[in-house]
Amino acid sequence: EVELLESGGGFVQPGGSLRLSCAASGFSIGNFAMSWVRQTPGKGLEWVSSISATGERTYYTETVKGRFTISRDNSKNTVELEMNSLKDDDTALYYCAKEPVLYYYDNWVDPWGQGTQVTVSS
Amino acid sequence: QSVVTQPPSASATPGQTVTISCSGSSSNVGSNYVYWYQQIPGTAPKLVIFRNNQRPSGVPDRFTGSKIGNSASLAISGLRSEDEAAYYCAAWDDTLKGRVFGGGTKLTVL
Repeated sequence: EVELLESGGGFVQPGGSLRLSCAASGFSIGNFAMSWVRQTPGKGLEWVSSISATGERTYYTETVKGRFTISRDNSKNTVELEMNSLKDDDTALYYCAKEPVLYYYDNWVDPWGQGTQVTVSS
Repeated sequence: QSVVTQPPSASATPGQTVTISCSGSSSNVGSNYVYWYQQIPGTAPKLVIFRNNQRPSGVPDRFTGSKIGNSASLAISGLRSEDEAAYYCAAWDDTLKGRVFGGGTKLTVL
């Protein structure tokens, strides 16, 4: 069964850092791009970042560029999201999700993990 | 606000057909595929329609996607209590060069 399990969320003060991890099972992530999508009650679902299958291309939504870094270790079947200079607006449930092809483009994401909560507050 | 808009809520009784709309622009819905996700409370989103009108294996044929111009729709026929969920449309946006989601529609089965 294809599964994704996120970890690393928590409570952090503005300006702080967190590192999220996504462990995949049931498939090899090396054949697929991977993405992070976040969800808040007020703003709904928002795509955050994606990384191509081999890691040579990374993509970010404008609001996190320069603060977040996505990476992957295909040998460990994991994807990570390093989040720095966190702001209140980054508070959300962060989902890891699988893209169906090598690169992030006009496609769907499925499946999604269960999410890890990030709360940024003073 | 999202560049792709959905009504915040919809409701219908069991057995009826409900249609959820998704309105965008020529840079997203009008020129790219539309995807639909179902999110049952407390769970992660699940893909129910891809490439405008294709159903993943395991999704009942009661779920039908369609698109005309800058608008798309998800129709659910023979409504069942287990269909009660939030439904989100998504599309690639050529201007933003990224995936955009609608704000979601909460479906209540009365």
